[in-house]
Amino acid sequence: EAQVTQNPRYLITVTGKKLTVTCSQNMNHEYMSWYRQDPGLGLRQIYYSMNVEVTDKGDVPEGYKVSRKEKRNFPLILESPSPNQTSLYFCASSLWTGGTYNEQFFGPGTRLTVL
Amino acid sequence: QKEVEQNSGPLSVPEGAIASLNCTYSDRGSQSFFWYRQYSGKSPELIMFIYSNGDKEDGRFTAQLNKASQYVSLLIRDSQPSDSATYLCAVKRVGSARQLTFGSGTQLTVLP
Repeated sequence: EAQVTQNPRYLITVTGKKLTVTCSQNMNHEYMSWYRQDPGLGLRQIYYSMNVEVTDKGDVPEGYKVSRKEKRNFPLILESPSPNQTSLYFCASSLWTGGTYNEQFFGPGTRLTVL
Repeated sequence: QKEVEQNSGPLSVPEGAIASLNCTYSDRGSQSFFWYRQYSGKSPELIMFIYSNGDKEDGRFTAQLNKASQYVSLLIRDSQPSDSATYLCAVKRVGSARQLTFGSGTQLTVLP
């Protein structure tokens, strides 16, 4: 089954404790992206990657890191989480055809609470 | 000004009525427009996209685009309780690697 998976689905942590949210897709997509969703603010892009070893900042990259060492995986790293990073996080993937749109497939989401 | 604006709602319509969802965007370079549906606690799913001015119909859904007015809408005919969800408008600028810019969404409730 074609899908994007995220782990963990739910996480409660404390300020400053490093964490990683994993994202994996089995569709051989080049493009992967992380979003956060907050009430009243919609989905905002954190980072994106157009292929292995190619990443770039989205709208709200502060406090986050990413890496793309394999095509299928795109982990999101919070080196020192803070309460303002409490949010619902979505990973998404799609084909990449040089800027034209390809449907993005979203993972199930990770609800993160930072105390 | 937000790049993509939607009325947050909630919008309530009776079952069988037409639900009208609206979206405006600020970037005149936007070329592609999308409507996603998101059920509570779930991930967004694409329901419609439109690239050209005018109407595009798919079943009970009609997307309408007016680039001159920077306005895109989604009509849901014969609304069903199962249509109750948050509808996200998203736009894309051709050539941009950012893929989509989303609005904050409109919460729709269809009353039985």
